[in-house]
Amino acid sequence: EADIYQTPRYLVIGTGKKITLECSQTMGHDKMYWYQQDPGMELHLIHYSYGVNSTEKGDLSSESTVSRIRTEHFPLTLESARPSHTSQYLCASSVGQINQPQHFGDGTRLSIL
Amino acid sequence: AQKITQTQPGMFVQEKEAVTLDCTYDTSDPSYGLFWYKQPSSGEMIFLIYQGSYDQQNATEGRYSLNFQKARKSANLVISASQLGDSAMYFCAMRTIKAAGNKLTFGGGTRVLVKP
Repeated sequence: EADIYQTPRYLVIGTGKKITLECSQTMGHDKMYWYQQDPGMELHLIHYSYGVNSTEKGDLSSESTVSRIRTEHFPLTLESARPSHTSQYLCASSVGQINQPQHFGDGTRLSIL
Repeated sequence: AQKITQTQPGMFVQEKEAVTLDCTYDTSDPSYGLFWYKQPSSGEMIFLIYQGSYDQQNATEGRYSLNFQKARKSANLVISASQLGDSAMYFCAMRTIKAAGNKLTFGGGTRVLVKP
């Protein structure tokens, strides 16, 4: 059983608010990832991290930012939420070996009114 | 560049029957891994099965098996004896040794609905 946690599970909030989506893992994995997914659609990588103090942009451009101050924690922040940010956000972590899967949290379903 | 293609947007399958989900991939890296994930309507991603590019045998995990045809660059998932709980989205994904951050590339997914 993978130990990666995302909070909140659901968030409905108004336009212009600052939002932080939390992601924590207890497996000691170096690599962590954020994906954005619209309902029934494919996952798009928006951010990833190799380890502490490392953050990189993913394949899909995003107005969100991330930080990695501790190995276990990889929060995602939206400074000013807009309706176009409405989506599901999935956090994942893994070790570096090619044969090891990424372990996912349960996701945050974000709805901006 | 890596690419995963899942050509079946949706499928119906009768309970207790087998179903095959198609996945083709494209990469120039000789070393890569292929993964299948299940995503129920609740949204979480559940890892099902892995196949390495150098593996000689097709991977199996319980009712899940992978039909790996390297020359055709396909990695189809077979679910045997379908159950109602198998109704979900299924995603094929690939990771290559050269991919930045060991990131996964996902296909567009196939929605499976198991009928009683």
